[in-house]
Amino acid sequence: AQKITQTQPGMFVQEKEAVTLDCTYDTSDQSYGLFWYKQPSSGEMIFLIYQGSYDEQNATEGRYSLNFQKARKSANLVISASQLGDSAMYFCAMREGQYNFNKFYFGSGTKLNVKP
Amino acid sequence: GAGVSQSPSNKVTEKGKDVELRCDPISGHTALYWYRQSLGQGLEFLIYFQGNSAPDKSGLPSDRFSAERTGGSVSTLTIQRTQQEDSAVYLCASSLVVTGPSLLAKNIQYFGAGTRLSVL
Repeated sequence: AQKITQTQPGMFVQEKEAVTLDCTYDTSDQSYGLFWYKQPSSGEMIFLIYQGSYDEQNATEGRYSLNFQKARKSANLVISASQLGDSAMYFCAMREGQYNFNKFYFGSGTKLNVKP
Repeated sequence: GAGVSQSPSNKVTEKGKDVELRCDPISGHTALYWYRQSLGQGLEFLIYFQGNSAPDKSGLPSDRFSAERTGGSVSTLTIQRTQQEDSAVYLCASSLVVTGPSLLAKNIQYFGAGTRLSVL
């Protein structure tokens, strides 16, 4: 089974609107971390936001927030007030296990296009 | 520099030749990762180094691929006898492995800009 599933290969959003990028994960571990990365056309992966499995509050970083629903095993990224510069590929990732620092899994990504 | 540095940024080679890709991690980061990203795809794990421990090579696709990390810092990924299917972007990431009092340490990976390898 896929460890990370991103079901939206591509999405469009109007500038200044909010958008949600879906991510579901599969693990039987109680300890795990969830990450979102942005990859613009330049190719570099940029870390956006992190959520630990024991964190009770949803993570927020500026315009980014992570809608963490543990029972559903989902970790959707919400971008508020979209900007043209948000157009990029977005990858959801999971680190599985408390000390398994080599166990990172990435989804296939969602390409976000922000329309003016 | 402040970030992860990879060189070269682009590499074009002929089928059958060997190539070396270099990664200079963030100073002080103990963990280093190599990934491969084919066009329009997600990241494929290749290899992981952590301090002086034996590397996790479980993601290397064949014995033509090898990597080393000298002095716990710079890493080189070597692909011998390159094939056209090796064409991809090779990404390196580093992280500071922290096992502190928090229940789950973040261990965020920071990525370089990648090396785009084209095998003709």
